[in-house]
Amino acid sequence: AQSVTQPDIHITVSEGASLELRCNYSYGATPYLFWYVQSPGQGLQLLLKYFSGDTLVQGIKGFEAEFKRSQSSFNLRKPSVHWSDAAEYFCAVVPIQGAQKLVFGQGTRLTINP
Amino acid sequence: EPEVTQTPSHQVTQMGQEVILRCVPISNHLYFYWYRQILGQKVEFLVSFYNNEISEKSEIFDDQFSVERPDGSNFTLKIRSTKLEDSAMYFCASRVGGHQPQHFGDGTRLSIL
Repeated sequence: AQSVTQPDIHITVSEGASLELRCNYSYGATPYLFWYVQSPGQGLQLLLKYFSGDTLVQGIKGFEAEFKRSQSSFNLRKPSVHWSDAAEYFCAVVPIQGAQKLVFGQGTRLTINP
Repeated sequence: EPEVTQTPSHQVTQMGQEVILRCVPISNHLYFYWYRQILGQKVEFLVSFYNNEISEKSEIFDDQFSVERPDGSNFTLKIRSTKLEDSAMYFCASRVGGHQPQHFGDGTRLSIL
């Protein structure tokens, strides 16, 4: 079945440590790819997007993501996390063959240890 | 920076009552969406709207749901007869078009009693 998978429900890292959040998709063609962040009580804020071209994309707040076609992955990374990065992170895709709806992963909750 | 605005932030309604959730999309955007997130579950697509008509809807969006753009600025989601399982966070989103992403509001938390 076509889906978006975020294997890690909850991740805890120490402040200043590096971060990688995983996302895999199962669609026949390469979809459009996104990462959104949701802080408590807030809406979904776009971190970055991939449509085509350079497979390493830069986003806001020091985040980047790399699209790997061979692995059907779009993992989110940050070299050094800050306490304010604690939030829920969602990977989402727009399947090209479909309409413009976003299909979301389950989300990964990030906790930062001081 | 322009934002998608949703009101109210929290709505409490008795089961069987009608509820209208309101959204003001970003002013130059042309595509509008509703999503919902039941507590502890994924964000799920409900409906997309373009050129004053529904362009796609999910199986969740049954006859109890409707959307409307009554004027040039508002985009509403109506649930005619609410059920307990409609309790969720409802997100509105808008998009200008082309290869541009959707921008989300802060959501309305709907609690059905």
